[in-house]
Amino acid sequence: AQSVAQPEDQVNVAEGNPLTVKCTYSVSGNPYLFWYVQYPNRGLQFLLKYITGDNLVKGSYGFEAEFNKSQTSFHLKKPSALVSDSALYFCAVRLPNQAGTALIFGKGTTLSVSS
Amino acid sequence: KAGVTQTPRYLIKTRGQQVTLSCSPISGHRSVSWYQQTPGQGLQFLFEYFSETQRNKGNFPGRFSGRQFSNSRSEMNVSTLELGDSALYLCASSLAGSSTDTQYFGPGTRLTVL
Repeated sequence: AQSVAQPEDQVNVAEGNPLTVKCTYSVSGNPYLFWYVQYPNRGLQFLLKYITGDNLVKGSYGFEAEFNKSQTSFHLKKPSALVSDSALYFCAVRLPNQAGTALIFGKGTTLSVSS
Repeated sequence: KAGVTQTPRYLIKTRGQQVTLSCSPISGHRSVSWYQQTPGQGLQFLFEYFSETQRNKGNFPGRFSGRQFSNSRSEMNVSTLELGDSALYLCASSLAGSSTDTQYFGPGTRLTVL
């Protein structure tokens, strides 16, 4: 079955330190990959996506993600975390050769940045 | 440009009732998708509409239905509500409904079924 895994329920990091939120996928073919962030009582905000091309994708708010086909991973990174980055992060995949825009989401990772 | 709007933001219903949720996509966007978010199941795709036609459907019972109007606004309906339908329902729109499109989400409708 097609799936997305976020192996860590929670990631804790000190402000100013680099952060990584992990995502792996199990999908046939070459999927399209997305990261979204959700703040309490809010919808999802788009951070970045990988469609094709350069494996390093830069997105909003200083976030970036690296697509690794051999490891089927798409980890989200930021060089220097801010307290305001504390939120729930979702990795999502869209199946290749599928019409439409349906996304398969991971379970989410709570990022907590301490001051 | 205004974002995706959803109404109402909060709803409380009782078992057996039905409910209709509304979504207005970003201006010019033609594709609207609906997702259900619960603590146990996470985010799950319900269905997608494009040009007033349902294009994809997730694995939900027939009690969940939707439609899209000619102005791209969408509604979803849940009939015969069950306690397990309590969730945050998120609407997302994209420009052309292409598989490479970014979906932009609304703030959601929080449905509580008592």
